[in-house]
Amino acid sequence: QQQVKQSPQSLIVQKGGISIINCAYENTAFDYFPWYQQFPGKGPALLIAIRPDVSEKKEGRFTISFNKSAKQFSLHIMDSQPGDSATYFCAASGIQGAQKLVFGQGTRLTINP
Amino acid sequence: EAGVTQFPSHSVIEKGQTVTLRCDPISGHDNLYWYRRVMGKEIKFLLHFVKESKQDESGMPNNRFLAERTGGTYSTLKVQPAELEDSGVYFCASSPGYNQPQHFGDGTRLSIL
Repeated sequence: QQQVKQSPQSLIVQKGGISIINCAYENTAFDYFPWYQQFPGKGPALLIAIRPDVSEKKEGRFTISFNKSAKQFSLHIMDSQPGDSATYFCAASGIQGAQKLVFGQGTRLTINP
Repeated sequence: EAGVTQFPSHSVIEKGQTVTLRCDPISGHDNLYWYRRVMGKEIKFLLHFVKESKQDESGMPNNRFLAERTGGTYSTLKVQPAELEDSGVYFCASSPGYNQPQHFGDGTRLSIL
């Protein structure tokens, strides 16, 4: 059972453009929504995270938009750079206090120079 | 501060053999998690330790998998006997406390022939 659905599977964006990755979740009990960035041969690295009491969080060029009623959240990368090329995972946790992360399937992002 | 360290980085064994993966969490992190990513699919939770105790092992696939965390420091994940479907990348993560971000290691790529 896929509790967090992520799209698209792959994305190609021109340098300087905006990259947008979307996730939808099923269980309203989730209360923590992180995004991870993974480079080849490396582990996932926490990029930015949000809790459902806010609708948006921005850190540098990275923004999470959160829509609680629609059970959706998205990652926006502004002014995308070739160094942003990586696989991005959304995740959710918090059901009944459980700390385990439930991941989306990942998005392979390529930024063309 | 040293990050989460996993050994080995890659292991190739034959079906029916035994393999032991090791994870050294960030010093002082009481929470330790194991996850697995099978080719092309999402990263899936296996289990969660708080110090030396298993807090949640709901993701362990079957009794061929045994995880330990002696003394609440490093952890091992043993697969015995290994089957073809056990191939994938095994990630370890740690966090300092409840509701704190999880930091991942670079993973162990396990190949069962």
